[in-house]
Amino acid sequence: QVQLQESGPGLVKPSETLSLTCTVSGDSISPYYWSWIRQPPGKGLEWIGYIYYSGSTKYNPSLKSRVSISVDTSKNQFSLKLSSVTAADTAVYYCARRGYHYYGSGNYLWFGPWGQGTLVTVSS
Amino acid sequence: DIQMTQSPSPLSASVGDRVTITCRASQNISSFLNWYQQKPGQAPKLLIFGASTLQRGVPSRFRGSGSGTDFTLTISSLQPEDFATYYCQQSYDTTPFTFGPGTKVDVK
Repeated sequence: QVQLQESGPGLVKPSETLSLTCTVSGDSISPYYWSWIRQPPGKGLEWIGYIYYSGSTKYNPSLKSRVSISVDTSKNQFSLKLSSVTAADTAVYYCARRGYHYYGSGNYLWFGPWGQGTLVTVSS
Repeated sequence: DIQMTQSPSPLSASVGDRVTITCRASQNISSFLNWYQQKPGQAPKLLIFGASTLQRGVPSRFRGSGSGTDFTLTISSLQPEDFATYYCQQSYDTTPFTFGPGTKVDVK
């Protein structure tokens, strides 16, 4: 059974770059899509972006200028970098696999399974 | 972006109640709608994809319905482990995927 685990600093200073890694175990990172999703304390969910095992990416336009997602298939990991952070970027950051179900003329897409999440606080 | 709204929030209910949560999309999303359950301190868990298909292992008391812009998640008989926050999410427009604000089901 696939499991995901986020890791990285829990505290980042304003204007610096947030860096997180998601380690996938129990399955190969290929040939799936892998996502980052965040949740500010007490608030809802925001999709950040995803990466295919081959390296192609898609980002939320609201964050696109600051986000970079990369993959390391040799380590079965993918990573998130978010630059120029502010207090508004304080959130629990989740990694998740993008699942799909082919229904004949397209794919239903969803997120799961998810990592347990890691809280990143932006503060000086 | 496609905006998702949910009602009611919160929703107060008792064990054994039939519970219905509504999700509305700002435009037609066909059946590209997923439902997640999130318990405090845990990651969201997929319940339903494609508006009505139950994810493997999810109890049959959960049912999803709807298409177009209006969707519902129904729990036929609320169990103690079902007190949680429920989110809808559209996958019609994947840039970006968007979630509803959540509906917290709490104890009446």
